[in-house]
Amino acid sequence: DAGITQSPRYKITETGRQVTLMCHQTWSHSYMFWYRQDLGHGLRLIYYSAAADITDKGEVPDGYVVSRSKTENFPLTLESATRSQTSVYFCASSEREYNEQFFGPGTRLTVL
Amino acid sequence: GQNIDQPTEMTATEGAIVQINCTYQTSGFNGLFWYQQHAGEAPTFLSYNVLDGLEEKGRFSSFLSRSKGYSYLLLKELQMKDSASYLCAVMDSNYQLIWGAGTKLIIKP
Repeated sequence: DAGITQSPRYKITETGRQVTLMCHQTWSHSYMFWYRQDLGHGLRLIYYSAAADITDKGEVPDGYVVSRSKTENFPLTLESATRSQTSVYFCASSEREYNEQFFGPGTRLTVL
Repeated sequence: GQNIDQPTEMTATEGAIVQINCTYQTSGFNGLFWYQQHAGEAPTFLSYNVLDGLEEKGRFSSFLSRSKGYSYLLLKELQMKDSASYLCAVMDSNYQLIWGAGTKLIIKP
């Protein structure tokens, strides 16, 4: 399917477990982003990537790891999940850093 | 610090006009974006302003004043499907988007 997809859409895990959220885009966009969205807060940038093998921290990177071996994929890993990481996670992509971003459908993560 | 302010919630009547304001203080400015987000869904792009003035796109218009650090989104001929959250985001000097918490717009018949 064309566009940007995320998996899983819903995930329940336990404190201390490792979790990986997947993001895949078919536009060959250079830039990809991971955000978290919590009630009362705006979207907060976790990590972003300007191209394959180039990643950089955003506003709230602690506890998260990313990689980008291929242009189309940008997985986000929570190395040891904590309750404070319960959130909705959105992946986004854009052609250039100054272009509008296109968002995936989101992953709702609950850490018990 | 960087800050984006927008009202938490607004209510309007079907067929009417509503204006959603956004004020910002950021490190640099490379444009202001408005996104729409229906409950449980992803944000979708509505508009982009980088120069002062009004940008019109169908029923939606967006205005920017860089000197005042101010923007608004104007929605005309409101429809029930316009019930959603509207997110204001400013692109800072590092080309990162700084997001407001969003304005929940409730449309009443």
